[in-house]
Formats: sequence, structure tokens, C-alpha cells
Amino acid sequence: EAGVAQSPRYKIIEKRQSVAFWCNPISGHATLYWYQQILGQGPKLLIQFQNNGVVDDSQLPKDRFSAERLKGVDSTLKIQPAKLEDSAVYLCASSLGRGANRFNSPLHFGNGTRLTVT
Amino acid sequence: SQQGEEDPQALSIQEGENATMNCSYKTSINNLQWYRQNSGRGLVHLILIRSNEREKHSGRLRVTLDTSKKSSSLLITASRAADTASYFCATDGGATNKLIFGTGTLLAVQP
Repeated sequence: EAGVAQSPRYKIIEKRQSVAFWCNPISGHATLYWYQQILGQGPKLLIQFQNNGVVDDSQLPKDRFSAERLKGVDSTLKIQPAKLEDSAVYLCASSLGRGANRFNSPLHFGNGTRLTVT
Repeated sequence: SQQGEEDPQALSIQEGENATMNCSYKTSINNLQWYRQNSGRGLVHLILIRSNEREKHSGRLRVTLDTSKKSSSLLITASRAADTASYFCATDGGATNKLIFGTGTLLAVQP
């Protein structure tokens, strides 16, 4: 099966600019996640969707970050305006799991977008 | 916040040796998963162990879970240079409704 696709692979922007990341999950996967991974740390969950509905966005800095999953397939994550501390790898993952048992299924990750904010 | 903490933070061994990584977590869980991440890549799922299981094997991997101590270990036997990567545990955090990753162990296998 084709894996999770993410683009762009790398992005360099100046602070206060805006940026958007795109994710295409594995076909048929209901649940989609965006994680932020700062260098040397584990991934931190930003938002999770089930189909096109938000399950959890409690750790998403909503004053500058937004995400959507139109039609329950592709997803975009946007940062506007970017800050220096947003420099990180943004990972998208998808999973077959859904509902209360969604963590019984493994997550499949894309290779991420490495964002550098200067 | 991160639920799990791996230890050691870094581990360097010779090819053929075994590598053991530990994960401790704070709250009750339903499942615990282990993932590998090669440099510059996404995470790859290795193994999932349920809270009612104590041990699980997959190829050269052996995972144990001790829910009374809130800890898990990942053993890689007969390591290879290709096992060089970061290894993360992830827990579903019981009532938190999230899959939360630990801080990771960086494993270097010297040829």
C-alpha cells in the first residue's frame, strides 16, 4: 500500500510569515494526526481527526495554528504567523483505528516536513 | 506533556550485542507501542502490547510490560548496524484520549 505522503519536505521561512503543510493519508484510514517534533524530542500531538471531525486539538496553539481535513481525506496544517520556536519537523500520521479503540491499531507516519523559521 | 520517558537517552553497542531500552509512564494505559525513527524519516511501528499482556515477540524484538511498575522494555537481540535509530515508546494514556510519545532512546550500533 502507498504510505502517508507529506509535502513539502523542507521549508525555510522568516518569522511572522505564514506556511502550510499538506498530508495525504493512507487510503481508508479514518484517523489522521499531526505531530510536532522538536529536535532531540519525541513527537508532540497537535491535533487528531476522525474522518473530517476534530477529536482532540487541546495542544494546538490556536492563535497561530490551524488545521483542516476536508472530505475526511487530505489535511493541511497552517501556521500564521510563524515564530522562531515553531522550527521543528511536522509529522502526519494515519491509522485504521477509530473511536474508543483507535489506539489498538498502529500509526503510519509520513517522512515529515522540516520547518526552519529564521 | 510527555507521558513516557525512555532510558537510557543514548546507547552505543557493537554489532551482535543485545540492546535494551526502557520506558516508564505515569498513568494507566490500554496499550503501549514501540516505534523506530531513522534520521530524517518518519516513525515506523514496531510492536504493540496490550495492558493485559506481559511479553510479546516479533523477530529479533522482545517487549515486556509491567503495569504494576508502569514500565516497559524493548530488547533487540543480535543487533545490526541497520538498527541504528531512535526508539520511542507511546502510550494511549488511559483517559487522556491521546497517543503520547516518550522522549526516545538514541541507539548507535557500531559495525
